[in-house]
Amino acid sequence: DVKVTQSSRYLVKRTGEKVFLECVQDMDHENMFWYRQDPGLGLRLIYFSYDVKMKEKGDIPEGYSVSREKKERFSLILESASTNQTSMYLCASSLQGTLAKNIQYFGAGTRLSVL
Amino acid sequence: AQSVSQHNHHVILSEAASLELGCNYSYGGTVNLFWYVQYPGQHLQLLLKYFSGDPLVKGIKGFEAEFIKSKFSFNLRKPSVQWSDTAEYFCAVSPYRDDKIIFGKGTRLHILP
Repeated sequence: DVKVTQSSRYLVKRTGEKVFLECVQDMDHENMFWYRQDPGLGLRLIYFSYDVKMKEKGDIPEGYSVSREKKERFSLILESASTNQTSMYLCASSLQGTLAKNIQYFGAGTRLSVL
Repeated sequence: AQSVSQHNHHVILSEAASLELGCNYSYGGTVNLFWYVQYPGQHLQLLLKYFSGDPLVKGIKGFEAEFIKSKFSFNLRKPSVQWSDTAEYFCAVSPYRDDKIIFGKGTRLHILP
């Protein structure tokens, strides 16, 4: 079974703090993703990484950055947290190539509250 | 830009009722199609998928979906729902040869016991 592990289930931070959300996958997947999930808005892609040190902006990258130094680990960074970044953050991974069919596997999510 | 539209944001049904959740997408080319489900307190997981072939696909827990290419639709169905089907359901589309998936806004399904 594919396992995608997010380091924290719940996180409470203060406005202006630098926040790191960590994600690790154990299936040697090339692709990793960070989404935020908000009620009524579904999943919105923040950033996508298709290889170590490679990244691509998603639909809502403002206020976020990412780091992928190792294949299995993908970090989301909030440089200066703001209250409008209070949300559920989901990490996912998938294999590359058309045979992989783009099936994404998700972590349990990190619910971040910024006060 | 590609998009996915789910017709209902919130659906309430009694047990044993039949279910159909609508999903339409906007993309003119070949696509892979998915339904994901998120049970309360659990992670998002794949319910079923369509890549090619028979447009009627079956997934876990008695769910099925039908791809109608002419209507750009991929509706989810279940003939008789159970209380344990209470969850949020997401339709998703991935253009062929694209590593990204576009998700709909989700439908919250609440089954009354």
